[in-house]
Amino acid sequence: DVKVTQSSRYLVKRTGEKVFLECVQDMDHENMFWYRQDPGLGLRLIYFSYDVKMKEKGDIPEGYSVSREKKERFSLILESASTNQTSMYLCASTKPGQTNSYNEQFFGPGTRLTVL
Amino acid sequence: AQRVTQPEKLLSVFKGAPVELKCNYSYSGSPELFWYVQYSRQRLQLLLRHISRESIKGFTADLNKGETSFHLKKPFAQEEDSAMYYCALQTGANNLFFGTGTRLTVIP
Repeated sequence: DVKVTQSSRYLVKRTGEKVFLECVQDMDHENMFWYRQDPGLGLRLIYFSYDVKMKEKGDIPEGYSVSREKKERFSLILESASTNQTSMYLCASTKPGQTNSYNEQFFGPGTRLTVL
Repeated sequence: AQRVTQPEKLLSVFKGAPVELKCNYSYSGSPELFWYVQYSRQRLQLLLRHISRESIKGFTADLNKGETSFHLKKPFAQEEDSAMYYCALQTGANNLFFGTGTRLTVIP
């Protein structure tokens, strides 16, 4: 059974704080993703990673960075949290796809971050 | 650039009635589409993918390239179908571009 876990279900931080969101998967997946989920906006991709130490910007990378030091762990970093980063953050992982393969993304339970 | 449009933010139907959740896409490549679902207090999960041509929990979705649509349908809605539904387009090796979602409520 695929497991994607996220370090916190709820976080409350203050503006300007550095925030770390951790994601761990136990299925040896190469690909990992960070999304934010907002009402009326759906899921938007922040960053993704195809391998250890590799990262690629998604659609809304501004204000975020990521770290992938180990295959199973993908961290999202808010260098200086702002109120507009209050959101639900979802991590996902999948096996790498060959051309024309369509692999399911497995999601974590989410971290609801509130920035005051 | 890719686009996935789910025109209805909210959709309510009565139990036993047919339900259709609309999804339209725009993509220059060959589209591969998915429906993901999030039930209350559960994590987001795959419902079905168009390549599989399968029926999951009574839901089906047909890719119509002419109309650039991938609507999700079920002939008889059940209360347990109440959830948030997202249409998603695969754009890269494994990247998904999601629509804004439709919250389905099935009224008993």
